[in-house]
Amino acid sequence: GALVYQYPRRTICKSGTSMRMECQAVGFQATSVAWYRQSPQKTFELIALSTVNSAIKYEQNFTQEKFPISHPNLSFSSMTVLNAYLEDRGLYLCGALTGKNTQYFGPGTRLLVL
Amino acid sequence: QQQVRQSPQSLTVWEGETAILNCSYEDSTFDYFPWYWQFPRESPALLIAIRPVSNKKEDGRFTIFFNKREKKLSLHITDSQPGDSATYFCAASRGTNAYKVIFGKGTHLHVLP
Repeated sequence: GALVYQYPRRTICKSGTSMRMECQAVGFQATSVAWYRQSPQKTFELIALSTVNSAIKYEQNFTQEKFPISHPNLSFSSMTVLNAYLEDRGLYLCGALTGKNTQYFGPGTRLLVL
Repeated sequence: QQQVRQSPQSLTVWEGETAILNCSYEDSTFDYFPWYWQFPRESPALLIAIRPVSNKKEDGRFTIFFNKREKKLSLHITDSQPGDSATYFCAASRGTNAYKVIFGKGTHLHVLP
């Protein structure tokens, strides 16, 4: 079956530091990977869409300078939160999209910023 | 502007009752409406979904009713169980841009035994 793994599941970083999170699709080829953030008391916001061999599309209020993404192959994507501050805390989800436009979500990386 | 709206924000029902969760959307070009449920400390999981070609989608105790003209839909959970207690997100996306899932703010459902 189709599975999506995310690593780490939870992490703590000091304010102003950076952390990298990974997303891996198993059992299918992820033509695209979408990264979302669920902030406390909020719904899920789309950060960016990453498609292999295409430019990464960032949503309004999210930039490559803050959330650089790497998507080197059809099973792996990573995103870094640079200079993390309190407002960056939350649950970061990756959604891996199959060729049939079905999106599978990973379990998320929960980021706590101190 | 919130493109997908949900109501109520919180809902409490007794075990065995039918829970009704409402959702409305702004953009008539949305053509795929998944509902996700999320349990505490877990990621959302796809529960059931509908496309506008249908006005009803049923899966066991979960049924989506869809009104394209009014741009509204609702999730009915019959014979609610305490294990159904979760946050339910209504979402919307467009065809080839299925990745761009727009989520509502969610409805917190509590089913009391």
